[in-house]
Amino acid sequence: SQQGEEDPQALSIQEGENATMNCSYKTSINNLQWYRQNSGRGLVHLILIRSNEREKHSGRLRVTLDTSKKSSSLLITASRAADTASYFCATVTTHYGGATNKLIFGTGTLLAVQP
Amino acid sequence: KAGVTQTPRYLIKTRGQQVTLSCSPISGHRSVSWYQQTPGQGLQFLFEYFSETQRNKGNFPGRFSGRQFSNSRSEMNVSTLELGDSALYLCASSLLPSGSATDTQYFGPGTRLTVL
Repeated sequence: SQQGEEDPQALSIQEGENATMNCSYKTSINNLQWYRQNSGRGLVHLILIRSNEREKHSGRLRVTLDTSKKSSSLLITASRAADTASYFCATVTTHYGGATNKLIFGTGTLLAVQP
Repeated sequence: KAGVTQTPRYLIKTRGQQVTLSCSPISGHRSVSWYQQTPGQGLQFLFEYFSETQRNKGNFPGRFSGRQFSNSRSEMNVSTLELGDSALYLCASSLLPSGSATDTQYFGPGTRLTVL
């Protein structure tokens, strides 16, 4: 089952604009990660934010995490045509009682950046 | 370092057959996870192996199985293929077990399986 739900499902913007994608999840997490997938290929890790962090930056990427609302957002600034891809959030849930943690992916946002 | 490699890249099988997919992780990585990606269900976790032991398993029928060798290479097997098994199968490797606080997974390009 999916842990994360992403919003919007699809987003189309012009080159140079900012793109914001949101992710909501259901249970307590250890960390939240964002991945990018170009059409039908493997995923590429973008950024990891721990549950005790609120904001993280990496180049043109900015990720926020609000554990009280169980949500995260990914902002891509000054988007380029090469940013066209699907973006997934993935969470590592907090398990107790000996259950091992695992990475659960959200449903993804399809971003199209028009040149 | 070479990235995660998966073979074959494309596969066409018929219903009832079985298939074996292979994944070679990044050198030094001991964790290998497998995922199934379909348009309808998205990315679904299949299982994870760490140091030759299955560490975690998703909600898939017993037709889906896997193993990991001493060199960390992993294989997954699907027996008695069904049409619904058509998907992109992705393998990911990481240094630490999946779910570690600083876990970063490195994905291979995937194997596109089509069941006719």
